[in-house]
Amino acid sequence: AQKVTQAQTEISVVEKEDVTLDCVYETRDTTYYLFWYKQPPSGELVFLIRRNSFDEQNEISGRYSWNFQKSTSSFNFTITASQVVDSAVYFCALSGRHYGGATNKLIFGTGTLLAVQP
Amino acid sequence: KAGVTQTPRYLIKTRGQQVTLSCSPISGHRSVSWYQQTPGQGLQFLFEYFSETQRNKGNFPGRFSGRQFSNSRSEMNVSTLELGDSALYLCASSLPGTSGNEQFFGPGTRLTVL
Repeated sequence: AQKVTQAQTEISVVEKEDVTLDCVYETRDTTYYLFWYKQPPSGELVFLIRRNSFDEQNEISGRYSWNFQKSTSSFNFTITASQVVDSAVYFCALSGRHYGGATNKLIFGTGTLLAVQP
Repeated sequence: KAGVTQTPRYLIKTRGQQVTLSCSPISGHRSVSWYQQTPGQGLQFLFEYFSETQRNKGNFPGRFSGRQFSNSRSEMNVSTLELGDSALYLCASSLPGTSGNEQFFGPGTRLTVL
């Protein structure tokens, strides 16, 4: 079975603090994909990053960075120098294969609500 | 490039009625997926369509159905509405391919069942 766990339900930080959102996944697939999405109060899910299971290289994009570790089945997301505009719900998601066939189905974690206080 | 559009944005129905939601994917995207988001169950996969064929289906009752047209636009239908069907319904589109493509989401349709 495939599963994504985001143990942190809510995180509150003060602006300019660094914050790490945790994501742990379970899958039996050897090929799979991991994603992070942001959902601001408007409701629309915004794509942040995609990683495939063969690429463990960490990624940095501006104030965002991602740490993928297959050994611990984790794909954590760090925001450096957080800003009020970062306030949103962040979802980690997993996509694999469907009975050996192709699919874009996403299995989402429960999300982490990040509140950045000014 | 225009994003994923969903209509209507808000809908109020009563129990027992049926509803049809529409999704227009990003131009060139042939895969469309639907998700239901509720406070209790979170984001759950409903179904995925690719080239007018249902490629994958989530664990929802048969009251939930969908289809995709030749222009890749998709509709989902919920018959005999129940109070528990109140949710944000999100549509996502992606490029054709194998698996794990980036999916781009629309703004959603907020369905309220009274």
